[in-house]
Amino acid sequence: AQSVTQLGSHVSVSEGALVLLRCNYSSSVPPYLFWYVQYPNQGLQLLLKYTSAATLVKGINGFEAEFKKSETSFHLTKPSAHMSDAAEYFCAVTSFTGGFKTIFGAGTRLFVKA
Amino acid sequence: EAGVAQSPRYKIIEKRQSVAFWCNPISGHATLYWYQQILGQGPKLLIQFQNNGVVDDSQLPKDRFSAERLKGVDSTLKIQPAKLEDSAVYLCASSLLKGGRTDYEQYFGPGTRLTVT
Repeated sequence: AQSVTQLGSHVSVSEGALVLLRCNYSSSVPPYLFWYVQYPNQGLQLLLKYTSAATLVKGINGFEAEFKKSETSFHLTKPSAHMSDAAEYFCAVTSFTGGFKTIFGAGTRLFVKA
Repeated sequence: EAGVAQSPRYKIIEKRQSVAFWCNPISGHATLYWYQQILGQGPKLLIQFQNNGVVDDSQLPKDRFSAERLKGVDSTLKIQPAKLEDSAVYLCASSLLKGGRTDYEQYFGPGTRLTVT
């Protein structure tokens, strides 16, 4: 069975500070990993994805994430937060275990203070 | 290219009433998903179609929820009768089929916010 755990339902940073959103997963087979962002009253938008190529993945809006198999982690980072980064962020894992299935984490809401 | 379209955006109904949501995926996307997102939680897959066939409906409450994708394009999700706990945002997503396998990236519509009173 696969699962996703996002550590911290809320994260608050100051504008210009480092953003770090944590995601740990479990999967019995090599996974594909994703980060999505959701702005209020909108659907989810893909930030970046890991699909077994480079372990450091760069996405849109200056975000990046590193796949660490030994730690079963896929943490999302951004060097300098911007007010427009305030949103809900979801980590997701996709794996093939008798079928193609995606599980989403519970989400982390990012607050950015001026 | 046009994104995933959903309607209505908002719906308020009383418990025991029925409701239907519509989704039109991105043109050419063979895989379509319906998710339920309860406030404060991540999306939960209800049903996944590949063309007009069901791939996964293991978490669909089949006594009250139904979904169809008759022509392999747009899809309808229905709830009948609705319960208070069905209050949520219903998200539709689609993804491309490549080489016989679904691509991994999902494109989401704006969702339908359902309130059951």
